[in-house]
Amino acid sequence: SQTIHQWPATLVQPVGSPLSLECTVEGTSNPNLYWYRQAAGRGLQLLFYSVGIGQISSEVPQNLSASRPQDRQFILSSKKLLLSDSGFYLCAWSRGGGYNEQFFGPGTRLTVL
Amino acid sequence: AQSVTQLDSQVPVFEEAPVELRCNYSSSVSVYLFWYVQYPNQGLQLLLKYLSGSTLVESINGFEAEFNKSQTSFHLRKPSVHISDTAEYFCAVSGLRGANNLFFGTGTRLTVIP
Repeated sequence: SQTIHQWPATLVQPVGSPLSLECTVEGTSNPNLYWYRQAAGRGLQLLFYSVGIGQISSEVPQNLSASRPQDRQFILSSKKLLLSDSGFYLCAWSRGGGYNEQFFGPGTRLTVL
Repeated sequence: AQSVTQLDSQVPVFEEAPVELRCNYSSSVSVYLFWYVQYPNQGLQLLLKYLSGSTLVESINGFEAEFNKSQTSFHLRKPSVHISDTAEYFCAVSGLRGANNLFFGTGTRLTVIP
């Protein structure tokens, strides 16, 4: 069976500090991978998606970046965090094709102070 | 372009009462529709999905949703809710780009009152 891991589960960082959130998937190969942000009281905002190693598409301009160094690893980064980066970050994977659902990780709660 | 509207941000309902969570979508092409549930501080879990065929789809825990093409709706219903159904519910529609991006509504918080 497939599983998706995210870490850390919670993170408190000062403004201006760097960020690295990691997501890994087990039990499948060549998944599509996604990063979402969920702000308090709001829906999910798609940040990045990837259809393969080294292939990253950005949905919104921001000070975040994503990388996919391995087939089942997806990393969300920032060089300098902003207060507005606070939120709940969710990683997801899916098989190819629009009819396939996405499977979500447990999320990372990021608080920027 | 696809978009999803969940008009009700919060829905309080008494235990064992019926509930309907509304979802409307807009799309110029055929769509795939999903309902996800999110319990506090957890990721999203798929509740049910409509791909094709029967317009009424059911989940294993008593929820059902009906795809209505003429009204562009995919409302979620349960005839009798339990305390454990308290959660955030998200409706989503699939995009047609190669990465099958999902477009999510803003969510409806269902609170079941004892």
